Amino acid sequence: SAVISQKPSRDICQRGTSLTIQCQVDSQVTMMFWYRQQPGQSLTLIATANQGSEATYESGFVIDKFPISRPNLTFSTLTVSNMSPEDSSIYLCSVEPGTGRGAFFGQGTRLTVV
Amino acid sequence: QKEVEQDPGPLSVPEGAIVSLNCTYSNSAFQYFMWYRQYSRKGPELLMYTYSSGNKEDGRFTAQVDKSSKYISLFIRDSQPSDSATYLCAMSNSSASKIIFGSGTRLSIRP
Repeated sequence: SAVISQKPSRDICQRGTSLTIQCQVDSQVTMMFWYRQQPGQSLTLIATANQGSEATYESGFVIDKFPISRPNLTFSTLTVSNMSPEDSSIYLCSVEPGTGRGAFFGQGTRLTVV
Repeated sequence: QKEVEQDPGPLSVPEGAIVSLNCTYSNSAFQYFMWYRQYSRKGPELLMYTYSSGNKEDGRFTAQVDKSSKYISLFIRDSQPSDSATYLCAMSNSSASKIIFGSGTRLSIRP
């Protein structure tokens, strides 16, 4: 398994501002993922972040809105830019060690945009 | 049609009952199947994983995969109030590909 630390755990932000979420893993992993979970909904993949390359975004998500950094094999950040109330959601960092034994998640960042 | 279908519930059962949670899927390429448990205000916790068809047991939990019917199940025996949570099924084509999640079933165990 992997232990994932995510910061901040929650935040309340003004519309038009940006928030950067940090994800730290206790072991080196090739693939890290960022998900969004809107209230009462399941998880939607935003992007896949591989170390040393540009993140791969899913349909409906763009780099200008959700820029991602992956400077090394244990750390990644997701920025939610120019926020609006529709961005209020839980954002989750995840790693999949590549063993086919499932993905592991951080505790999530609960974002409220006012 | 969604790739993965899961009844959102809520499902309420008395303590000690056997719980059956299910998902159906449409993509026959899925090979890896997972169940996650998510408590309120927490991240999903990996509960069970299986590769291809068959059963897997871990304590009070049993996961079943029937690829011919494109149907997976999670059984919880001797259910406890602490099992009250949302359960998400998930699946992927390979160990390195995108994981597709079901919408989650909200389960409540009544003392």
